[in-house]
Amino acid sequence: SQTIHQWPATLVQPVGSPLSLECTVEGTSNPNLYWYRQAAGRGLQLLFYSVGIGQISSEVPQNLSASRPQDRQFILSSKKLLLSDSGFYLCAWNRDRGQETQYFGPGTRLLVL
Amino acid sequence: KQEVTQIPAALSVPEGENLVLNCSFTDSAIYNLQWFRQDPGKGLTSLLLIQSSQREQTSGRLNASLDKSSGRSTLYIAASQPGDSATYLCAVNSNSGYALNFGKGTSLLVTP
Repeated sequence: SQTIHQWPATLVQPVGSPLSLECTVEGTSNPNLYWYRQAAGRGLQLLFYSVGIGQISSEVPQNLSASRPQDRQFILSSKKLLLSDSGFYLCAWNRDRGQETQYFGPGTRLLVL
Repeated sequence: KQEVTQIPAALSVPEGENLVLNCSFTDSAIYNLQWFRQDPGKGLTSLLLIQSSQREQTSGRLNASLDKSSGRSTLYIAASQPGDSATYLCAVNSNSGYALNFGKGTSLLVTP
């Protein structure tokens, strides 16, 4: 069976510090991978998606970047965090974007102070 | 740009009641529509996925319908239980991209 992991679970960082959030998927190969952010009072918003190693698409302009160094690893990064980067970050995967649901990880709660 | 709206934003019902959650979307060019459940501080759990060619899907006490032409979906929960308390999210998978476009959710509280 497939599982998706995210870490850390919770993170408190000062403004201007760097960020690295990691997501890994087990039990499948060549998945589509997604990063979403859920901010207080707002719906989930897709930040990045990847259909293969080294292939990253950005959905919204922002202070963040993403990388996919391995088939089942997806990393969300920032060089300098802003207060507005606070939120709940969710990673998801699937294989067939038209026919299959997206499977979400447990999330990382980020608080930027 | 796909806009997804969920009504009501919050709902409180006594245990045992049947209830309906509503979702509307603006662009009918979709692959599918999905309903998720989110418990506080947790990730999302997929409940039902309705393909654009389907009218409804059922899983246990849950039934979801889709009227693509009018841009509407409903999630029907039968015989509600306190364990059903959570936020329910509607998401549309549009033909035009990889994103799931989410509504802001309906926060459901089922009281014993």
